[in-house]
Amino acid sequence: QQQVKQSPQSLIVQKGGISIINCAYENTAFDYFPWYQQFPGKGPALLIAIRPDVSEKKEGRFTISFNKSAKQFSLHIMDSQPGDSATYFCAAGKERTDKLIFGTGTRLQVFP
Amino acid sequence: ETGVTQTPRHLVMGMTNKKSLKCEQHLGHNAMYWYKQSAKKPLELMFVYNFKEQTENNSVPSRFSPECPNSSHLFLHLHTLQPEDSALYLCASSQDRRATGLNQPQHFGDGTRLSIL
Repeated sequence: QQQVKQSPQSLIVQKGGISIINCAYENTAFDYFPWYQQFPGKGPALLIAIRPDVSEKKEGRFTISFNKSAKQFSLHIMDSQPGDSATYFCAAGKERTDKLIFGTGTRLQVFP
Repeated sequence: ETGVTQTPRHLVMGMTNKKSLKCEQHLGHNAMYWYKQSAKKPLELMFVYNFKEQTENNSVPSRFSPECPNSSHLFLHLHTLQPEDSALYLCASSQDRRATGLNQPQHFGDGTRLSIL
């Protein structure tokens, strides 16, 4: 019940295409859903986050779609660029704690 | 200097050694975290400190001993580690959620790559 399931494990997209990464959770106590981007040799960096009171959040080329009833959320990267090549992690934060539960990560490769 | 800084970046140690990892944050945060990152596994939360007090120990073996002398510094003391402890150890910080009641973004350092011989 504490898990966050992330798919796919790896993703190859052509430049200009749309990258889509999906996550699912079981615990309805989660109330915060961030996405992190990690480049090799670097720590994860917060990309975008959503709370369950909205169904979508957009920041530039990055969009989170959130489906509360299905307990799923996804990251869409529009007009994917080679510089977006990185590992992406979804996470879920539990109410009344500072804990984050992370997914297993998706390695995205964007080819020119 | 800004952000979250971890030292050393790389550490190789034998199973009988004692070493320490250091984390320092310059973001004015009051919550600090240790995570373990292993290949093909989710980031595993190890410890959480809020206002220098440990608020979470995620069933971590006693060979890992955290220390938080103030809100800006966090240490992870290591002794008699096992080969399976080889991993990237990440430190993070955030504002404490109690001020707003909401989770706050966690900011990560670049980690210490630990190899146990």
